[in-house]
Amino acid sequence: DTGVSQNPRHKITKRGQNVTFRCDPISEHNRLYWYRQTLGQGPEFLTYFQNEAQLEKSRLLSDRFSAERPKGSFSTLEIQRTEQGDSAMYLCASSFPSQIYGYTFGSGTRLTVV
Amino acid sequence: EDKVVQSPLSLVVHEGDTVTLNCSYEVTNFRSLLWYKQEKKAPTFLFMLTSSGIEKKSGRLSSILDKKELFSILNITATQTGDSAIYLCAVDFPGAQKLVFGQGTRLTINP
Repeated sequence: DTGVSQNPRHKITKRGQNVTFRCDPISEHNRLYWYRQTLGQGPEFLTYFQNEAQLEKSRLLSDRFSAERPKGSFSTLEIQRTEQGDSAMYLCASSFPSQIYGYTFGSGTRLTVV
Repeated sequence: EDKVVQSPLSLVVHEGDTVTLNCSYEVTNFRSLLWYKQEKKAPTFLFMLTSSGIEKKSGRLSSILDKKELFSILNITATQTGDSAIYLCAVDFPGAQKLVFGQGTRLTINP
């Protein structure tokens, strides 16, 4: 499978626990994006990496959220002290620099906080 | 605040009908408008529009942009049950590395 891979597909966690999601982008793509999508809404931008550098973060990304892309390949998104409002689909996408229209999205990780 | 609004939010039609989905935007700057189809999980790219009045076409799907009136439409002719999905519209800005999405239109095609 040469697409964008996200793990796990589903995660149920108790409020207050920490969770970590992983995204493996298409190997040739040096840009990686995280979006969050709640029911009935379109995806909302969270953050973006070019190689290993995190170049932009949304105000939605509170201090409980941290994202890394240590070697410019896979990325992780960690949420600390989860709250029920964090329940959403977390989508990862990757692209070449000149092809923003060529975003390839992964299938997402659905987080449910109970 | 930059805003993308889609209408209708939900649409149910019969197979064979033609549908028109709308997307309007209010943004301070504009580079392009994109349409995506989201069936189960991952949104998949349909069209990117940058110039006003030029129709993009792919099979039964077509889309056009009006930069003066700040809107785009996505047309689907001779709809099939496989067209059932959420259709997302997004706007891209110069210098920014993010897309601003609308809420999506949930399209259901009944046989």
